[in-house]
Amino acid sequence: QSALTQPASVSGSPGQSITISCTGTSSDVGAYNYVSWYQQHPGKAPKLMIYEVSNRPSGVFNRFSGSKSGNTASLTISGLQAEDEADYYCSSYTSSSTPNWVFGGGTKLTVL
Amino acid sequence: EVQLVQSGAEVKKPGESLKISCKGSGYSFTSYWIGWVRQMPGKGLEWMGIIYPGDSDTKYSPSFQGQVTISADRSISTAYLQWSSLQASDTAMYYCVRGWYYFDYWGQGTLVTVSS
Repeated sequence: QSALTQPASVSGSPGQSITISCTGTSSDVGAYNYVSWYQQHPGKAPKLMIYEVSNRPSGVFNRFSGSKSGNTASLTISGLQAEDEADYYCSSYTSSSTPNWVFGGGTKLTVL
Repeated sequence: EVQLVQSGAEVKKPGESLKISCKGSGYSFTSYWIGWVRQMPGKGLEWMGIIYPGDSDTKYSPSFQGQVTISADRSISTAYLQWSSLQASDTAMYYCVRGWYYFDYWGQGTLVTVSS
C-alpha cells in the first residue's frame, strides 16, 4: 500500500497560518471521510489532532482545522505557536482489498 | 482515564523470537479495536494490523501479513505483537493504538532493537 503524499517540510512565523497537504487516491482519501491527522513531538508518541477530515478531539485547540477536496486532505494551523513545531502525519482508512490504513510520509513543521 | 501502557524496550539477536504487550485501562477493553503501528528510526508511521479483543477478529496490512502475529488476552486487557524470528530490519519503535477509523489513544511505544 503506497503512503499518502505530504510535503517533507513547511515553515511559518509565530502568528501566521500554514497548511499541510495530504494527497491520496480515489481508493483512500477520495473514497472515505476517514482522514485523520497526528502530531508527533521528538521522542514522543503521536497525538490525534483531527479525525474524520475536520473534527477536533476534546482538548485540541481550534487553531487546528482540517478539510478535504477530492483526493487531497489538508491540515491548517492558524496563529502558529512555538509548541506547534513537530512532525505531522495524515492517515486514511481504505478498503480497496481488505480493511487497511495508510499514513502519509510526514511533514516537519518549523516555527521560525 | 484511558491509557495504553506498553512493555519495555527490548534488545534481541537476529533469529530470536519476541512478544511485546499493550495493556489497556480506563475503558471497556473488549469494545474497541487495538492496532499496531511501526516507526523505523527516523522514518514515518506504518500500520501493521489490528485486533478486536471482544472476539479476536484480526486484520493485517498486506506488508506485515505472515511477518508478525497479533493477539489479545481479554481477561487481562492486554494485546500482543509477536515475531517468531526477528531480523535486523525489525528494529523500530512499535506503538499500540486504539480505534478503527482513527486512533484516539496511543501507547508510549516499545523500542525493539535487533542486532548481532
